[in-house]
Amino acid sequence: QVQLVESGGGLVKPGGSLRLSCAASGFTFSDYYMSWIRQAPGKGLEWVSYISSSGSTIYYADSVKGRFTISRDNAKNSLYLQMNSLRAEDTAVYYCARDYDFWSGYLFDYWGQGTLVTVSS
Amino acid sequence: DIVMTQTPLSLSVTPGQPASISCKSSQSLLHSDGKTYLYWYLQKPGQSPQLLIYEVSNRFSGVPDRFSGSGSGTDFTLKISRVEAEDVGVYYCMQSIQLPRTFGQGTKVEIK
Repeated sequence: QVQLVESGGGLVKPGGSLRLSCAASGFTFSDYYMSWIRQAPGKGLEWVSYISSSGSTIYYADSVKGRFTISRDNAKNSLYLQMNSLRAEDTAVYYCARDYDFWSGYLFDYWGQGTLVTVSS
Repeated sequence: DIVMTQTPLSLSVTPGQPASISCKSSQSLLHSDGKTYLYWYLQKPGQSPQLLIYEVSNRFSGVPDRFSGSGSGTDFTLKISRVEAEDVGVYYCMQSIQLPRTFGQGTKVEIK
């Protein structure tokens, strides 16, 4: 079955860096776009970034552009989010999610359990 | 960015009664390919969000048929024909016609 497992969250000081990982299994990872979506404590969902199946197309929300870098390693079935210059407002649970399936029309049909990033001094 | 506005923001429903959530977008979600890129997700307490409805009205695999989606252009509705205890949580609409994808604020559904 499809599984997405995030890791790498934790407590970091403002201005610091963190790298999140998402290990995928149960599907052909290299066939799918992937996204990161976050949720600040007690708040709603915010889409952060996506990467195409080959890694050639990438998009970021304005709130993270220039600070976050999404990448993937299809040989390792893994998705990453490098987060630099972290701010208090980046504090959130970060989810990886399988992006649009061009055959079925599904979008975000599978989500990881999330990893908490806390930015605080 | 496209703004998604949900109403109401909270809903208290008696089991077995219907519930309805509205979602309005600031721009039409109808693409030139004929598809309308509006989705509904449910986040149950303590869980990750889960896909309920894709492209306005299509139920995702395993979603009970008491859930239905409708609408067009900029106005959309999620209906639960008979609310059950397991339906509690926060419901989000989301658009994907334009980047960035944007979510509604969420509608919290609880049981009376």
